[in-house]
Amino acid sequence: NAGVTQTPKFQVLKTGQSMTLQCAQDMNHEYMSWYRQDPGMGLRLIHYSVGAGITDQGEVPNGYNVSRSTTEDFPLRLLSAAPSQTSVYFCASSYSMGQGWYGYTFGSGTRLTVV
Amino acid sequence: KQEVTQIPAALSVPEGENLVLNCSFTDSAIYNLQWFRQDPGKGLTSLLLIQSSQREQTSGRLNASLDKSSGRSTLYIAASQPGDSATYLCAVRRSKLTFGKGITLSVRP
Repeated sequence: NAGVTQTPKFQVLKTGQSMTLQCAQDMNHEYMSWYRQDPGMGLRLIHYSVGAGITDQGEVPNGYNVSRSTTEDFPLRLLSAAPSQTSVYFCASSYSMGQGWYGYTFGSGTRLTVV
Repeated sequence: KQEVTQIPAALSVPEGENLVLNCSFTDSAIYNLQWFRQDPGKGLTSLLLIQSSQREQTSGRLNASLDKSSGRSTLYIAASQPGDSATYLCAVRRSKLTFGKGITLSVRP
């Protein structure tokens, strides 16, 4: 199994450009989420999805869009990149069984620089 | 709002020491707690997952405990090695996963 795959690994954008960060998982996990990691701030939740067609906002959603048309894919769109969006972005997935939720699996990250 | 605290932010120990890394959280209504390891410039690797009904989990030299009522978890690392040097993050889950800021561990040869 590939687990959670993120592309690209590195990206440099100019202010105002848009782009999509890709995330795909092959574990049939219903729960997927996007985090950003910044020095001194830790990991913060951007958006999450509990299944295909269902998304919701996390702690820092402004400037980002998501959609979940399939169980496997959960792309993150930057609408108009700003220097404040320079960060490392992680995608993660998880699943539930009965009454319990199981652990998260993380992708290897996308390092984004906005100049 | 759930808050997760890990203190100290950094720790340096000589090789061979037994370590305890602490994690505290403010809301005990959690589904589970997960410990991760992150190497510099890399993603997060799951180490141990403790469901809310469990008290501890073990994997090799690692042992994690959970005390929900007091809002605390510890990660015990036995006989530390230089290869254990990394940042260790704990995260608690209710509807969402909330992370601490991590403890950066350096194990000196």
